[in-house]
Amino acid sequence: DADVTQTPRNRITKTGKRIMLECSQTKGHDRMYWYRQDPGLGLRLIYYSFDVKDINKGEISDGYSVSRQAQAKFSLSLESAIPNQTALYFCATSGSNRGRGEQYFGPGTRLTVT
Amino acid sequence: GEDVEQSLFLSVREGDSSVINCTYTDSSSTYLYWYKQEPGAGLQLLTYIFSNMDMKQDQRLTVLLNKKDKHLSLRIADTQTGDSAIYFCAERGAAGNKLTFGGGTRVLVKP
Repeated sequence: DADVTQTPRNRITKTGKRIMLECSQTKGHDRMYWYRQDPGLGLRLIYYSFDVKDINKGEISDGYSVSRQAQAKFSLSLESAIPNQTALYFCATSGSNRGRGEQYFGPGTRLTVT
Repeated sequence: GEDVEQSLFLSVREGDSSVINCTYTDSSSTYLYWYKQEPGAGLQLLTYIFSNMDMKQDQRLTVLLNKKDKHLSLRIADTQTGDSAIYFCAERGAAGNKLTFGGGTRVLVKP
C-alpha cells in the first residue's frame, strides 16, 4: 500500500463551490505539506504543518485553508473555488528536522474548476 | 525568497548521457535533492547530496555540486526510454523547515 494517499485523484467542480482534498500517511511522519503544481512553475507551497497543533502559511495560501485532524491526516480546503485554482495538488510528508529532510509525495489530485 | 532555476526541456537519444542543470540562490542550503515525476504520478526522490560534498554517484546517476557557483547537476548515464519524465531539483535551507523546488526539466528520450 502507498505510504501517502490522496483523495480524490480527480475532481471537477464549479466556480464558487467549496471543496476539500484529503491526505493520509502511514509513514509516521510529523511534518505534512500541501503544494500545487502548474506547468513550468514547479511546486509552490500552500500550507505546511509540523504537528497536530501547528499550521503555517506557505507562499500561496490565499484562497486556501487546511486542517490537521491527526498526525496522519492533513486536508486542504478551497472555500470558494475559482478557475485559476485549476492545478495538480500534492501532499507530502517528512520526518523531523534531523537528518536529510527529504519529502515523500502522494500521487496528486487533479482539480479542475469550471 | 530563495529561488531555484532549471531549464524547461532536454531531448536526448537512448544510450547517450543526459545532464540536467539547476542553479539556486540560497547560500545556506544544507541538502539538495533530485526528484523524478512520471506522467500521472507524484514526485519520487531519486537522490540527494549534502552541501559539504561535491559529487555523489548512485548507479547510473551522478550528482555534481558546485557550492561556490550554486550550481547542481544530475547526469544520467546510458539514458533509457524509462528515464523520460520531469526532473525537479530542490534545496533545503539552514532553517530546515521546507524545500524550495525548481520549475522542473522535462526530459524526452528518443529511440
